[in-house]
Amino acid sequence: KQEVTQIPAALSVPEGENLVLNCSFTDSAIYNLQWFRQDPGKGLTSLLLIQSSQREQTSGRLNASLDKSSGRSTLYIAASQPGDSATYLCAVYEDNAGNMLTFGGGTRLMVKP
Amino acid sequence: NAGVMQNPRHLVRRRGQEARLRCSPMKGHSHVYWYRQLPEEGLKFMVYLQKENIIDESGMPKERFSAEFPKEGPSILRIQQVVRGDSAAYFCASSPPDSGYTFGSGTRLTVV
Repeated sequence: KQEVTQIPAALSVPEGENLVLNCSFTDSAIYNLQWFRQDPGKGLTSLLLIQSSQREQTSGRLNASLDKSSGRSTLYIAASQPGDSATYLCAVYEDNAGNMLTFGGGTRLMVKP
Repeated sequence: NAGVMQNPRHLVRRRGQEARLRCSPMKGHSHVYWYRQLPEEGLKFMVYLQKENIIDESGMPKERFSAEFPKEGPSILRIQQVVRGDSAAYFCASSPPDSGYTFGSGTRLTVV
């Protein structure tokens, strides 16, 4: 059974720092991996989708990498801003489970002005 | 494109009542998924549907919960005889085949 773990569970940084959020998964036979952002009491916003044949994706100040063989993904946020404060969720699409997503527990990020 | 629309945003039900949660997928998306987020827990898969078909319901509780995605109209997640433990945020997502999800804003169910 696939398990997805995110470290750290919570992170507080001053504005302007570059930071890395980590995601690990136990079964490397994944189809795709997707990073989401969730604001308190709100839905999920897709940030980046990495297909299994790709190693990274970039959007603005965000860069996500994927290493299937080691079961890891990282989300890099450059020059963090208070508006980046949210919970960041990593989710994997499993190869043989249709389109089902397995989520990690999330990293709660607070960026202080 | 209005995105994935869920309603109501908030729903309060007394124990024993029925809850109906609605989800309209994005235009052109034929796949609908329901996920549940319990307080202080991660999102858990419940059910995956295509038009008039349940593809995977391995995450659905065996009793009181049902889902449908009719030929016309929104997908419905139905919870009968709700209990306090059903209080959670229920998220719907849609996708085209073999592509990433788009999530709705969720329905927050409170059972009193």
